[in-house]
Parts: sequence; structure tokens; C-alpha cells
Amino acid sequence: SYELTQAPSLSVSPGQTASITCSGDKLGDKFASWYQKKPGQSPVVVIYQDVKRPSGIPERFSASNSGNTATLTISGTQTMDEADYYCQAWDNNNWVFGGGTKLTVL
Amino acid sequence: EVQLVETGGGLVQPGGSLRLSCAASGFIINSKYMSWVRQAPGKGLEWVSVIYTSGTTYYADSVKGRFAISRDNSENTVYLQMNSLRVEDTAVYYCAREGDGFSYDSWGQGTPVTVSS
Repeated sequence: SYELTQAPSLSVSPGQTASITCSGDKLGDKFASWYQKKPGQSPVVVIYQDVKRPSGIPERFSASNSGNTATLTISGTQTMDEADYYCQAWDNNNWVFGGGTKLTVL
Repeated sequence: EVQLVETGGGLVQPGGSLRLSCAASGFIINSKYMSWVRQAPGKGLEWVSVIYTSGTTYYADSVKGRFAISRDNSENTVYLQMNSLRVEDTAVYYCAREGDGFSYDSWGQGTPVTVSS
């Protein structure tokens, strides 16, 4: 079965750039999505179709997907961005999530 | 406005059954792929099942043969019938609507399921 791998945690200071990576076999051939998940809240999509930002998502969220790696970049990270981030792709009628990266902003 | 409201969660003993409901508003459920996604305590998101617009269904290996997804178009509601429940099925279960590129653009608030004796 298809697998997506993320680092468990990442720590950045406010105002810095956070780069969260997601790796999977030929991930660049698939569409990657990214979700923000805060405790007690439902997930929110922040990136879909590799690079698209839904309305209402700040411009500081951007992404890329090529080869075996998708990357979510948060520029000028704010304390409100502290959350778990999950990548996701579709493979053979299965929706696959990465294990999640806990982003700490301090 | 799109809204998804899950109900039906609760405490059940191992081997028991539970049926979750996801009532949708603001769109017609059979026009979108609809999925169930869960999050166990302290764990990440895990896809559980999908029902396509055609009615075709798919399941994660961890629930195949035990869970069944269905929909009632007249009620605009998606269901998840969960049988032979295990302790490891304990999680918050979310209903999610397909967006572009196999993403999920709308999620419900989640309903907690606890499997314990």
C-alpha cells in the first residue's frame, strides 16, 4: 500500500519560514493536499492540487510537489499557525495521509 | 453554505456495532465523493472509507469486511455502519466532502467513538 512520510515535529520562531516535507514514491505524479489540524478542531485544507490555496487561507501558505517530495512552506510564520500538518494523496481508490508534522512556533 | 453534521458516536463494547450518520446541507451528497476519516487519540488522520458518486465503495484494509458506507439521497445523509468493533477503532470519526484533486474541502465536527469493556 502507498505510504507518505513526514517528520514528526518542526520548531520555528515567529516570523521565520517553516518548511514541512512529505515524501512518497513518485508523489509528484499525484495531487498532494495539505491540512492544518488544531486540537479539538476539524482539519482544514490549506493547499490542494499541489499548489492551490483555498479562499480564506493566507498567502503565507504555499507549496510545491515534484519527484518524490511535496513541501508546504509557511512564510512569516505566526503563532496562530502552530498546529499539526498532514499531507494527503490519492492512490488506487485509497486516500492516504502522512503521519503528520507538529509545528511549534516559539 | 456547506455543512456536515455527524452523529451516532458513543461507547460500545468490543465486538459491538454502531452506526454513524453524516447529515449534509448546502449541496447534494450524490454529486460528490463522500468519505469517513478518523483520528485515534494521540494519532494522525486515517482514511476509513469512500462512496463515489456512482455508489461504488472502498475501504481501508483495517476496516474492510467490518465497516460499510452507504448513503440515503432522500435524506442527503451518509452512513457508516461499524460492526465487530475493536479497541483500536476508538477514534473521532469525521465525515468529509471531496474537493478538487482528491482533496477534502469540507469536514464535519467529528463524532467520538470509544470501544471499551
